[in-house]
Amino acid sequence: DAGITQSPRHKVTETGTPVTLRCHQTENHRYMYWYRQDPGHGLRLIHYSYGVKDTDKGEVSDGYSVSRSKTEDFLLTLESATSSQTSVYFCAISPRESPLHFGNGTRLTVT
Amino acid sequence: QQQVKQSPQSLIVQKGGISIINCAYENTAFDYFPWYQQFPGKGPALLIAIRPDVSEKKEGRFTISFNKSAKQFSLHIMDSQPGDSATYFCAAPGTASKLTFGTGTRLQVTL
Repeated sequence: DAGITQSPRHKVTETGTPVTLRCHQTENHRYMYWYRQDPGHGLRLIHYSYGVKDTDKGEVSDGYSVSRSKTEDFLLTLESATSSQTSVYFCAISPRESPLHFGNGTRLTVT
Repeated sequence: QQQVKQSPQSLIVQKGGISIINCAYENTAFDYFPWYQQFPGKGPALLIAIRPDVSEKKEGRFTISFNKSAKQFSLHIMDSQPGDSATYFCAAPGTASKLTFGTGTRLQVTL
């Protein structure tokens, strides 16, 4: 799907453990995004990046951090996972400010 | 913070009928207003988008109508087909062109 790979596709973890989700792109797009999708909320922006080492917060960034050390990789870290972070996480990429292509998501369950 | 209201939450349409999904936004940004289509287990895929200086855009069976004065835009799917059964999301650009998504409409097209 448009050169985006999310890993892992599924993960179950315990409350309080750190979790890192990875997004890898082969399109060399400048912008990368992390969204979470929950029933009744649509897609909500967690963090986004507009270049290597350039990141900014979205509307639901509390409890999440990101890093982008290479153009192709954008990592999302939950420092100490909570049950409220159980969700489906989508990475998106774009050559401009609005997301164009989404990955197939990571389903995260925090028990 | 941009708010986007999407309706209806779910929609059942007979094959060959017209599906209509509506969205209302709060703040205007001169950027494009997209619609995304999502199938189960997949990420959202950009379906069609319109710029706010255009009142209508048509691509095949899909049409976006945009009413800037009312701050509303809608997706019309003509001759709806069972393969159109999916969840549809509208989105509106906010500050720094970051998109705010609607909560989604689950469309089911029956035979």
